[in-house]
Amino acid sequence: ETGVTQTPRHLVMGMTNKKSLKCEQHLGHNAMYWYKQSAKKPLELMFVYNFKEQTENNSVPSRFSPECPNSSHLFLHLHTLQPEDSALYLCASSPDTGTGEQFFGPGTRLTVL
Amino acid sequence: GNSVTQMEGPVTLSEEAFLTINCTYTATGYPSLFWYVQYPGEGLQLLLKATKADDKGSNKGFEATYRKETTSFHLEKGSVQVSDSAVYFCALPNYGGSQGNLIFGKGTKLSVKP
Repeated sequence: ETGVTQTPRHLVMGMTNKKSLKCEQHLGHNAMYWYKQSAKKPLELMFVYNFKEQTENNSVPSRFSPECPNSSHLFLHLHTLQPEDSALYLCASSPDTGTGEQFFGPGTRLTVL
Repeated sequence: GNSVTQMEGPVTLSEEAFLTINCTYTATGYPSLFWYVQYPGEGLQLLLKATKADDKGSNKGFEATYRKETTSFHLEKGSVQVSDSAVYFCALPNYGGSQGNLIFGKGTKLSVKP
């Protein structure tokens, strides 16, 4: 247990569906992150939030829409995804964006049909 | 910005064999260095870290020494177990680019056979 939870753990969706991934951290951290992990590709940083404000959007397509209502919760809203978006989506948190060490959730395995 | 290069796998070893996974980095200054591990079906977990040159991080029998002369942070374990089968990632902060974000190596998959 790292103190970061993600739901759902598995998700299958069609290309026309709309779904959301949820991440919650119980560590009192101020920074939260979304990563994409695809087979045979390096871990890709998608978004960074610090004190609820987005500080990084790593050229992510608009079909991925993040939301951070408070420092403990982070969502990733999905719509009109493509099969190549199938991957493991990892959430992480850290005390702030300057400490380096990050704590990861178990991930959501997404399959787009 | 900073960068990290990690040996590519997969690495297959027999139980009780010696493990080395190489990691070298380029960085401005002397950032903290990390090894993360990802067991099958799970997210990444911090395995060990070193915060300054010559520091040795250690955990669960794994060790890595922060060597500024060779800009390396190689992961070692004297006797691996089947339960060590996982993917290992070397990482460091990217102060030159995205503030405080971690840069990860490509990962090295380790399989330990009984």
